[in-house]
Amino acid sequence: RKEVEQDPGPFNVPEGATVAFNCTYSNSASQSFFWYRQDCRKEPKLLMSVYSSGNEDGRFTAQLNRASQYISLLIRDSKLSDSATYLCVVSRYTGFQKLVFGTGTRLLVSP
Amino acid sequence: DAGVTQSPTHLIKTRGQQVTLRCSPKSGHDTVSWYQQALGQGPQFIFQYYEEEERQRGNFPDRFSGHQFPNYSSELNVNALLLGDSALYLCASSGEKGQGTSGNTIYFGEGSWLTVV
Repeated sequence: RKEVEQDPGPFNVPEGATVAFNCTYSNSASQSFFWYRQDCRKEPKLLMSVYSSGNEDGRFTAQLNRASQYISLLIRDSKLSDSATYLCVVSRYTGFQKLVFGTGTRLLVSP
Repeated sequence: DAGVTQSPTHLIKTRGQQVTLRCSPKSGHDTVSWYQQALGQGPQFIFQYYEEEERQRGNFPDRFSGHQFPNYSSELNVNALLLGDSALYLCASSGEKGQGTSGNTIYFGEGSWLTVV
């Protein structure tokens, strides 16, 4: 079993739609949680960190449930430019920070 | 302020050959990690360098080795290349000089695309 599991998609949605991605992680010692965005043939870029209290950045809302070891990302009012792969990432800090990535969920937003 | 820079951006090698990839961390960063991203997969941690030493290693064979220089730049070497080594190799930098072990934001370079034929 992979340490971070995501539905690979693709999720095909029209512009303006709301879409949600979910992710589960298996290591309860994980301490930090992130969503990264990766455009085709580009490097991953940090979209947002995820906190238990939930956090919002414009149209993006991320949520963490430590008890269920579950992370979510909600995108409202989808734009064509949101088309990308969204990577769920967890990290344990044991003297150094190592990121563990899911396989990513591909989102395609169409006109 | 230059971000993380990697070279070369693309390269093609033959099975059995050796390759060296290079990375310069973001200014002010002293910790460099390398990740391998195969097609359709998320990046996988190879190893991390701090103070010119390998601090932690992922599940990769000894064919994968690295080095960090006094100026914090790093190299990834892969020997006896296999077709399965074809991937995007990402360098990530973090930490502030003298701290190194902090868990602050990690920045990725644009990566080196390696194709093994």
